[in-house]
Amino acid sequence: DGGITQSPKYLFRKEGQNVTLSCEQNLNHDAMYWYRQDPGQGLRLIYYSQIVNDFQKGDIAEGYSVSREKKESFPLTVTSAQKNPTAFYLCASSMTGELFFGEGSRLTVL
Amino acid sequence: AQSVTQLGSHVSVSEGALVLLRCNYSSSVPPYLFWYVQYPNQGLQLLLKYTSAATLVKGINGFEAEFKKSETSFHLTKPSAHMSDAAEYFCAVSANTGGFKTIFGAGTRLFVKA
Repeated sequence: DGGITQSPKYLFRKEGQNVTLSCEQNLNHDAMYWYRQDPGQGLRLIYYSQIVNDFQKGDIAEGYSVSREKKESFPLTVTSAQKNPTAFYLCASSMTGELFFGEGSRLTVL
Repeated sequence: AQSVTQLGSHVSVSEGALVLLRCNYSSSVPPYLFWYVQYPNQGLQLLLKYTSAATLVKGINGFEAEFKKSETSFHLTKPSAHMSDAAEYFCAVSANTGGFKTIFGAGTRLFVKA
């Protein structure tokens, strides 16, 4: 079935460690996105990419990095510079405006 | 610039009662509007979308929403709530000028009482 796969679903890390969240899509969508979700704050855009080898910062990019080497893949690295990394991270893709989401990755920093 | 305001972080209804979730938007260009639903620990799923065709939009699971430009609103309704409707609902807006950025509201959690 076509869709978006995020892994891992749950991740625990110690403070100061970088972590990478995987996002893969087989929908042949050009655009991919990373959102962060915190209780009561909706979704906030971290990074987005409209085409391979190109990406733009969203509203809260500080402390995060991404790459888009393949159309299907858009991994997100949460670096040690991110001050409050514990959150639910959602990857999405789109072709005509509506977003298709993965199941999310919950990161807890101890 | 675009923004979305969802009125009420929590809404509680009885099973079989009308569901009304409120959303107001601000957009400097003609908007695309969306409602998404999220069940616990899952991603978001599209309920319905408005893209400048009919102002009354029907979605999945019996939900519908009406675009009212004069009120800058896009409220979500369902005539009769079901227990399975309990979830968090997000209103979202994007520009219809070809851009891909979507702005989300803070969400409204719907509780359904038996």
